[in-house]
Amino acid sequence: DQQVKQNSPSLSVQEGRISILNCDYTNSMFDYFLWYKKYPAEGPTFLISISSIKDKNEDGRFTVFLNKSAKHLSLHIVPSQPGDSAVYFCAASRNYGGATNKLIFGTGTLLAVQP
Amino acid sequence: KAGVTQTPRYLIKTRGQQVTLSCSPISGHRSVSWYQQTPGQGLQFLFEYFSETQRNKGNFPGRFSGRQFSNSRSEMNVSTLELGDSALYLCASSLAGSPGNTIYFGEGSWLTVV
Repeated sequence: DQQVKQNSPSLSVQEGRISILNCDYTNSMFDYFLWYKKYPAEGPTFLISISSIKDKNEDGRFTVFLNKSAKHLSLHIVPSQPGDSAVYFCAASRNYGGATNKLIFGTGTLLAVQP
Repeated sequence: KAGVTQTPRYLIKTRGQQVTLSCSPISGHRSVSWYQQTPGQGLQFLFEYFSETQRNKGNFPGRFSGRQFSNSRSEMNVSTLELGDSALYLCASSLAGSPGNTIYFGEGSWLTVV
């Protein structure tokens, strides 16, 4: 049962334009969402996160939007740069009444930014 | 400040052997979790430790085990290795283990089982 889904395996955008990566989840108990960037053979690098009490969080070129009613989040990268080319994973976690760092990951979206 | 450190980075083992992977979290971080990444299954949660106690466990067989030491360093062990255990094993750490704490990943340990 894939609780976190990234339905676009790949995305190609031109340098300078906006990249929009999407993520859907099924478990309404998730209360914290994160985006990671990953290169092959390396560990994921944290980009940005959002708590379920917010609907937007911004950090530099990265903005994450959360639509709880639709169980959907998106990552916007503006402007896109060639160095942004990587696989992007969204992840979600749920507080089980205690603290937990169990992350459920999506399947990833390969972003290619064309110069 | 040093990141999450994992050793070894690469290793090759024979089917039936066992392997131990090590993880040193970021200084001050008390929560350590482990993930397995394979092409077919993606990134999957193995287990999480906080203050030397296993707090959460994923859906992996009992051949996969782990522990955390008093200095927050963690090890994971896989016994009776199978070909399907070939994967990138990632360790992650965070401050207190609460949602809202950023979770940082190490570079991973590449395990190949032959």
